[in-house]
Amino acid sequence: AQSVTQLGSHVSVSEGALVLLRCNYSSSVPPYLFWYVQYPNQGLQLLLKYTTGATLVKGINGFEAEFKKSETSFHLTKPSAHMSDAAEYFCAGLGAGSYQLTFGKGTKLSVIP
Amino acid sequence: NAGVTQTPKFQVLKTGQSMTLQCAQDMNHNSMYWYRQDPGMGLRLIYYSASEGTTDKGEVPNGYNVSRLNKREFSLRLESAAPSQTSVYFCASSEMGGVYNEQFFGPGTRLTVL
Repeated sequence: AQSVTQLGSHVSVSEGALVLLRCNYSSSVPPYLFWYVQYPNQGLQLLLKYTTGATLVKGINGFEAEFKKSETSFHLTKPSAHMSDAAEYFCAGLGAGSYQLTFGKGTKLSVIP
Repeated sequence: NAGVTQTPKFQVLKTGQSMTLQCAQDMNHNSMYWYRQDPGMGLRLIYYSASEGTTDKGEVPNGYNVSRLNKREFSLRLESAAPSQTSVYFCASSEMGGVYNEQFFGPGTRLTVL
């Protein structure tokens, strides 16, 4: 069964520092993978997605993620954190042909001035 | 283009009361979903509707029922609310499954059951 694990429920970075949020998936077939962001008291918004093809995926707001099959990972990065990046981030995976997204438990990102 | 809308935004119920959460999308999407979000648990799928006229159970369906009223609307009903159903409920929609399963989320309904 598909599962998604996010390492670290809380991550703090200084403004201008690298953001790295970790996500690992388990699956016997390459999945479709997504990163969503949730700002306080709002719904989820798609940051980026991996389906097939290029393993480095660029998303909105300067975020990108790299699909590494050998490591079963799909970590989210941003070179320089902004205060506006403070939010909760969710990694999600979808098995081929499935309608069911499996979400990780989320990582809350704090940005320190 | 409003995307996914949900009503109400907030609701307080007493144990045993019933209520229906409403969801509508204007993106002509085929598939719709209901999730609940609890602290430290991420989002868990309650029910989904792959297409108009079909519904299927997700990870946590007990205590809930759904109706896909038409292509636009998908409602979630709590027949006899329990404190364990205190949560934030999100509706989402997508064009369809598989690679087209980029899900668009509504703003959520915060439900408290006393």
